[in-house]
Amino acid sequence: GAVVSQHPSWVICKSGTSVKIECRSLDFQATTMFWYRQFPKQSLMLMATSNEGSKATYEQGVEKDKFLINHASLTLSTLTVTSAHPEDSSFYICSASGTSGIGEQYFGPGTRLTVT
Amino acid sequence: AQKITQTQPGMFVQEKEAVTLDCTYDTSDPSYGLFWYKQPSSGEMIFLIYQGSYDQQNATEGRYSLNFQKARKSANLVISASQLGDSAMYFCAMRASGGSYIPTFGRGTSLIVHP
Repeated sequence: GAVVSQHPSWVICKSGTSVKIECRSLDFQATTMFWYRQFPKQSLMLMATSNEGSKATYEQGVEKDKFLINHASLTLSTLTVTSAHPEDSSFYICSASGTSGIGEQYFGPGTRLTVT
Repeated sequence: AQKITQTQPGMFVQEKEAVTLDCTYDTSDPSYGLFWYKQPSSGEMIFLIYQGSYDQQNATEGRYSLNFQKARKSANLVISASQLGDSAMYFCAMRASGGSYIPTFGRGTSLIVHP
């Protein structure tokens, strides 16, 4: 149980275009999902907390108009990188809190975004 | 504010030996949870083990155990009988009530298991 899928696993897009990344909890309901960005050989940087049915809470320094997050259902959250630029190239990871009550996170496999 | 410190950027261990990965934390909250995650080269983060701040005993999950020393604010991960497949990045993390349970991650430790 507690499987999180993420799609696509990798994407290459041209500068100025938008890219949507989907994060799904496959066998449990996730009221809260997290979106992270990870640079090579670095830790996870939390971008935003996504709550089902409400607006996402963005971390300081993250442009909410550039990184649009929608959590439309208890199993799906999406991250849209709008007007992507080469500096947005990164590894994006989503996670969902498990249902055991201890707060563990289950992560998607990640999306590698390359903006050319 | 919550903080996780992992001071070992890289560790090497011989196959079948045990290894300890260090983690210290800082929080003023009495209620918090400590977690370890493994990130293989594939990139997917895997939840390994959890320790609650009120747990009296150290957590264990198979070959993983957590050496929890509350007074020292340390939560070291011990991997026994290392296997080649244990080679990965390992992240210590915390969630605390004062931080609205927003996860805080350490910088990670790269573990390489030699045959």
